[in-house]
Amino acid sequence: DVKVTQSSRYLVKRTGEKVFLECVQDMDHENMFWYRQDPGLGLRLIYFSYDVKMKEKGDIPEGYSVSREKKERFSLILESASTNQTSMYLCASSLFASGRSKLFGPGTRLTVL
Amino acid sequence: AQTVTQSQPEMSVQEAETVTLSCTYDTSENNYYLFWYKQPPSRQMILVIRQEAYKQQNATENRFSVNFQKAAKSFSLKISDSQLGDTAMYFCAFMKPLDFGNEKLTFGTGTRLTIIP
Repeated sequence: DVKVTQSSRYLVKRTGEKVFLECVQDMDHENMFWYRQDPGLGLRLIYFSYDVKMKEKGDIPEGYSVSREKKERFSLILESASTNQTSMYLCASSLFASGRSKLFGPGTRLTVL
Repeated sequence: AQTVTQSQPEMSVQEAETVTLSCTYDTSENNYYLFWYKQPPSRQMILVIRQEAYKQQNATENRFSVNFQKAAKSFSLKISDSQLGDTAMYFCAFMKPLDFGNEKLTFGTGTRLTIIP
């Protein structure tokens, strides 16, 4: 059963902490994505990667960075967490092919106090 | 930039009835893809249905079908014989094909659908 997994379902951090969100996919997908989901705003793309060590900014990259050292793993990093980064974070992956749908992970609910 | 609008934040319908969720989008592209994703209360987002803009025939997947009106830039989802398991947040999404296949999805704000027993 192919899947995308995320390291935590729930996470509570304090303002100023460095936060790592991990995502792993087992489908050998080239593309990986990080979205944040907020009520009334839908899903917004933070960063994506189409290959190892490659990354591209999405629509809201400020305050975030990413790392992709291995094909199956894509990490989202909050260098200094702030309360406005409290949100649901969704990871997704897809094949490097036109028009493919994305497979999503279960999400991480991050609360920054 | 593309935009996707879902004008119905919440909907509810009796079990076994038919419900239609609306979605409109704005783009200057001629070729693109449209999707409906479902996010049940357990939060795993799953694909419901996919439409390619160059295909005139509306996509169908069992009880789920779309009404794709390209000129009107409308992409509504119809759920027939609704079931309790259809209760979820539904997102409409747009994707423009790019040269290297690393396309990005643009999502609407979602419609929370509740099926009433």
